[in-house]
Amino acid sequence: SYELTQPPSVSVSPGQTARITCSGDDLPKKYAYWYQQKSGQAPVLVIYEDTRRPSGIPERFSGSSSGTMATLTISGAQVEDEADYHCYSTYSSGTPVFGGGTKLTV
Amino acid sequence: EVHLVESGGGLVQPGGSLRLSCAASGFTFSNYAFHWVRQAPGKGLEYVSAIGSDGGSTFYADSVKGRFIISRDNSKNSLYLQMDNLRPEDTAVYYCASLDSSGPTVFDNWGQGTLVTVSS
Repeated sequence: SYELTQPPSVSVSPGQTARITCSGDDLPKKYAYWYQQKSGQAPVLVIYEDTRRPSGIPERFSGSSSGTMATLTISGAQVEDEADYHCYSTYSSGTPVFGGGTKLTV
Repeated sequence: EVHLVESGGGLVQPGGSLRLSCAASGFTFSNYAFHWVRQAPGKGLEYVSAIGSDGGSTFYADSVKGRFIISRDNSKNSLYLQMDNLRPEDTAVYYCASLDSSGPTVFDNWGQGTLVTVSS
């Protein structure tokens, strides 16, 4: 079955740049979406269609995609950015799938 | 303001059934496809099921196919998930979500979730 692979954890100091990756064979053909999920809360969309940022999401959040890897970058990570981050995409067939999630520690 | 409120979760024995509901308000419910996504305790998100805006098309993850049925009642602004033959591995928080973001339009909304526990 198709999978999106994320590192289990990423750790940075406040003010540093955090990069979270998501790899999948169909990412060259399909968009990646990124969700932030803080403890005990529902997920919140922070990046969609690889690079777009919804209104209300801080500019320090950005997304990119190259080949089979999508990347969420948090430039100047802050303590309040500590959360689980989930990537989401679809197979070429359209079947949706989430990555395993990455715990970001700031 | 968009609101999605799930209900119907609880403790059920293996092999049992539950029906989850999601009440929507603050937008035109019939304009959007809707989804169920679940999260087992301490685990990542898992896509479960989807239904088109008019209910005419549905999708199920292989893990629930043949056991779960998604439906909606646009006259009641409500989404449902009928879960039969439940297994311990179905234990999770179940979220209803809109997941509709494209171009300049973002319509991505999640409820607070409802916990389903399958255990004897």
